[in-house]
This record gives sequence, C-alpha cells and structure tokens, in this order.
Amino acid sequence: NAGVMQNPRHLVRRRGQEARLRCSPMKGHSHVYWYRQLPEEGLKFMVYLQKENIIDESGMPKERFSAEFPKEGPSILRIQQVVRGDSAAYFCASSLGTGLNTEAFFGQGTRLTVV
Amino acid sequence: TQLLEQSPQFLSIQEGENLTVYCNSSSVFSSLQWYRQEPGEGPVLLVTVVTGGEVKKLKRLTFQFGDARKDSSLHITAAQPGDTGLYLCAGAGGGSNYKLTFGKGTLLTVNP
Repeated sequence: NAGVMQNPRHLVRRRGQEARLRCSPMKGHSHVYWYRQLPEEGLKFMVYLQKENIIDESGMPKERFSAEFPKEGPSILRIQQVVRGDSAAYFCASSLGTGLNTEAFFGQGTRLTVV
Repeated sequence: TQLLEQSPQFLSIQEGENLTVYCNSSSVFSSLQWYRQEPGEGPVLLVTVVTGGEVKKLKRLTFQFGDARKDSSLHITAAQPGDTGLYLCAGAGGGSNYKLTFGKGTLLTVNP
C-alpha cells in the first residue's frame, strides 16, 4: 500500500510563472489536506478537500492560490504568478476520515523554489 | 487562534542520554499527534493521544497528554543516533478535527 505520493519533489520556477503541485492520497483515503512549511516556520494548514469539493480553504492566500481534487486523478495545488515569498515546502496529507482519532499521513513534499 | 509552543527548539545530546521535549498551549485540543521529520522528507506520524492524562509508549519513546489536554511531552530513553530528527507536535481541535496546528518543532541531534 503506497503512501501519499507527491510530485515533483523539487520545482524551480521563475517569478511570474505558474506552479502545479500534485498529490495522490493513500489508497482508500478520500480526505486530502495541503500544508505549507516556510523556512524557520511550522507547517501551516492551507486547504482541506474531499473528492470534487473544497471543504475548508481558510488557510489559502486569497489570491493566486487554488486547489482541486477531481473525481479522477490527483489533487492539484496551483500557484499562479509565483513570487519569491512562495518558496517553501508544500506537503499533502490524506486521511480515511475526520473523526477524533483520525490520523493524517503526509507525503514527502514538493520543495518550490522561486528564482 | 490556537498556538503550540515547543521546547527546547534545539537539543544536542550524547548517545545513551535521556531527554524530554515539551509541547505547550493555552488552548485545549481534542487530540494531539507527534511526528518526526527528517531533512528533505515529510513528517512521519509517531503517535496520537486523545484522552487527558494518557500515556503511550513506543519502544524507547514515551508520550504523555496533559490532564487538561493543553500540553504534551515526549520522553526518549537511551537516545541513539537514529533518533536524530525534527520532532513536531500537532494538535487538532477548535471544532475542526481535521485541521492540525503544528508547533515549530524540536531539532534533536544525538551524537555517537
């Protein structure tokens, strides 16, 4: 049973370009979360999605960032017109449900560098 | 806004020593998770504690959840170089069990 798969592992973009980060959850998991880890900072919640639905995007920057989790295929975190401040490690996690004892399993992350 | 403070931020010890790291908050959490993260990798779940006062053991690691569910500790006995890594605590609560609030972590180095 493969874990949470993220790709690419490393992504370099010039300022103004778009970044697309992909996440395939663990088999059987329908709940996906994106977190961002800035240098010297803890992981910060960005968005929670279920298949075809955004449940909570309270941690997403209001502009340039969007996320989706289509019926078929991986979840995508999209950053338009990237800026230097977007450079960070982006982690995806998945879980079976959202109950009290639910455990979230993280992928290896995508390290985005904006030059 | 829920915050989790971890201490110490950095810890460097010799192999065989014992250590404790702390995770504190003024907020109540419905559950708390401990993760270990190695450089260039994602966090790996070690344990989830749910009940106030709960103690869980994982080989040489002992995790405790405070009675009031506001704090937690991780104790490692006879540390080994393989224990080196970033230890993160993360709390769930505030009406949304899915949204984890992470501390900044304790970076542990165990020297041979």
